[in-house]
Amino acid sequence: TVMTQSPATLSVSPGERATLSCRAGQSVSTNLAWYQQKTGQAPRLLIYDAATRASGVPARFSGSGSGTEFTLTISSLQSEDFAVYYCQQYNQWPTFGQGTMVEIK
Amino acid sequence: QVHLVQSGAEVKKPGSSLRVSCKASGGSFNTNAFSWVRQAPGQGLEWMGGIIPFYGTSNYAQKFLDTVAITADESMRTVYLELTSLRSEDTAVYYCARSDGSGGFHTHLDSWGQGTLVTVSS
Repeated sequence: TVMTQSPATLSVSPGERATLSCRAGQSVSTNLAWYQQKTGQAPRLLIYDAATRASGVPARFSGSGSGTEFTLTISSLQSEDFAVYYCQQYNQWPTFGQGTMVEIK
Repeated sequence: QVHLVQSGAEVKKPGSSLRVSCKASGGSFNTNAFSWVRQAPGQGLEWMGGIIPFYGTSNYAQKFLDTVAITADESMRTVYLELTSLRSEDTAVYYCARSDGSGGFHTHLDSWGQGTLVTVSS
């Protein structure tokens, strides 16, 4: 299942809201996760089952969607949130989107 | 959660082979799925395949069927990734990751190793 993320790069000022999109080539139900990756680090699980926050993830991160359209929202960007975000479906053999880089505006 | 520690960086020549290890401490091991994920320089994440140690059978993404072997040693709580016929295009960071619960590969990856940089160069 091909996963397509948009935009490729998102420029946001600290304190602003960021909305990231992920589209699946076919329905994946809610079998979708979001990961955050900072430079030189391993990915970190943020959201699973499309909308469930992983342990220790701040409440400013939220996920929504089902089927083929998904959104990750960061309600008020903090300095530590500037990173690359990947969606991943696990409805079939796992596939990742190409990532969205969230950079400081 | 489980803590995953991978073997160190490697430099290999084209055509050679390599085995990367991923040792799990804490948490469950045998009935979880362990995946290997590749990240080429400046690129995104790519699922290569994985194994559920209890069953011992591996599953692979189509493009890695001929050049990758994934195995597990339950007694050592370690999963291995063997790369054969290495090419310069295999230069990447390789991550192991564990799937949460007993959903096999059809669940999220809740724990990740620190990554192993493999450089293929003559």
